[in-house]
Amino acid sequence: GAVVSQHPSWVICKSGTSVKIECRSLDFQATTMFWYRQFPKQSLMLMATSNEGSKATYEQGVEKDKFLINHASLTLSTLTVTSAHPEDSSFYICSARRGAGTDTQYFGPGTRLTVL
Amino acid sequence: AQKITQTQPGMFVQEKEAVTLDCTYDTSDQSYGLFWYKQPSSGEMIFLIYQGSYDEQNATEGRYSLNFQKARKSANLVISASQLGDSAMYFCAMREGYAGGTSYGKLTFGQGTILTVHP
Repeated sequence: GAVVSQHPSWVICKSGTSVKIECRSLDFQATTMFWYRQFPKQSLMLMATSNEGSKATYEQGVEKDKFLINHASLTLSTLTVTSAHPEDSSFYICSARRGAGTDTQYFGPGTRLTVL
Repeated sequence: AQKITQTQPGMFVQEKEAVTLDCTYDTSDQSYGLFWYKQPSSGEMIFLIYQGSYDEQNATEGRYSLNFQKARKSANLVISASQLGDSAMYFCAMREGYAGGTSYGKLTFGQGTILTVHP
């Protein structure tokens, strides 16, 4: 099956710093990538939809300036948590859709962010 | 209103027995897709099974089958012959929207069910 990677798998940072998380589709071109957030023992909540070459579409309640998403190529999307605070500590998961009109979606292994 | 509802926070099953995890959904779309994912403690999301709204037959993938009852808007997952490795969190998810739309493919997840398989 298709592979989606995330880097880093975990990160610990100080409050006020920015953290960049990469999501890569390794063996296919992803026209659309999605970013989810998951708190412990809770469900995945969609943060934003990222389409290659265009601005991301953010879900209601998600701060665009706080969570910067860039989808510069068909295999890479990045999520930058700017000026991170302890409440941003969470598990961030990306997924990638192979092509238009397909339901096939592949998830990355996730990134655990801890903000001290 | 919840779009995806999983009413069982936790389920227990004996090894080698079958178990059903419940999922109901709410949508006004005619075209939609339903998914089940398994999330072990490592956090990765493992795709299990998919059912399209127009599929007339229930989906099956090995030991997994999806009991799709469209009129009731339910998409229960049945795991046959449970194994110890099946212990994990299970999520039901729904894809709405029309093919080709910029947000097509985004998933709404249920609250999850923690399945514990006893030896």
